[in-house]
Amino acid sequence: EDKVVQSPLSLVVHEGDTVTLNCSYEVTNFRSLLWYKQEKKAPTFLFMLTSSGIEKKSGRLSSILDKKELFSILNITATQTGDSAIYLCAGNNAGGTSYGKLTFGQGTILTVHP
Amino acid sequence: ETGVTQTPRHLVMGMTNKKSLKCEQHLGHNAMYWYKQSAKKPLELMFVYNFKEQTENNSVPSRFSPECPNSSHLFLHLHTLQPEDSALYLCASSSRDRAQYFGPGTRLLVL
Repeated sequence: EDKVVQSPLSLVVHEGDTVTLNCSYEVTNFRSLLWYKQEKKAPTFLFMLTSSGIEKKSGRLSSILDKKELFSILNITATQTGDSAIYLCAGNNAGGTSYGKLTFGQGTILTVHP
Repeated sequence: ETGVTQTPRHLVMGMTNKKSLKCEQHLGHNAMYWYKQSAKKPLELMFVYNFKEQTENNSVPSRFSPECPNSSHLFLHLHTLQPEDSALYLCASSSRDRAQYFGPGTRLLVL
């Protein structure tokens, strides 16, 4: 059975701090690793990682995948109160199809205080 | 925000009721998904449809019945639910080898 584990489960920081969120995975027929941000509504897509060692960046957020050690990290620099959310990591099991299926971790609850 | 829409946004139903959740995607994707998100549990995949064909049923009880009439519409028919089925039900869609995009969800309460 596929498994995705995130750490820490919750994190409280102050504005301006840098945070690192961790995600380890055990996914058969692994295709990709995805990060989502969830506030009081639907998860919004952040990154999809397929290749090891290649950093993806979007503003203050960046993420990297290590396929040998089966983990990924999400970094947020100069945090703002608007970064407060649940960050979800998901492993994509290709399953022999072109679409696969996602197994989600339990999420990291990030709280950024002013 | 309007790429994947879901209705209703909130639903309260009794255990003997029958109701349906609707999802529509305007992104031209070929695959659609139903997920369940309960408090303090990870998002759980329920069903996957590729080109209107069901390709995944993640051991979901038969009181949940999906329907996918075309690549843009997905329904989840509910009947004789239990209180433990109360959760946020999320619909998503994707193209081949691309990320899944989620709708806003239907928050369901079963009394």
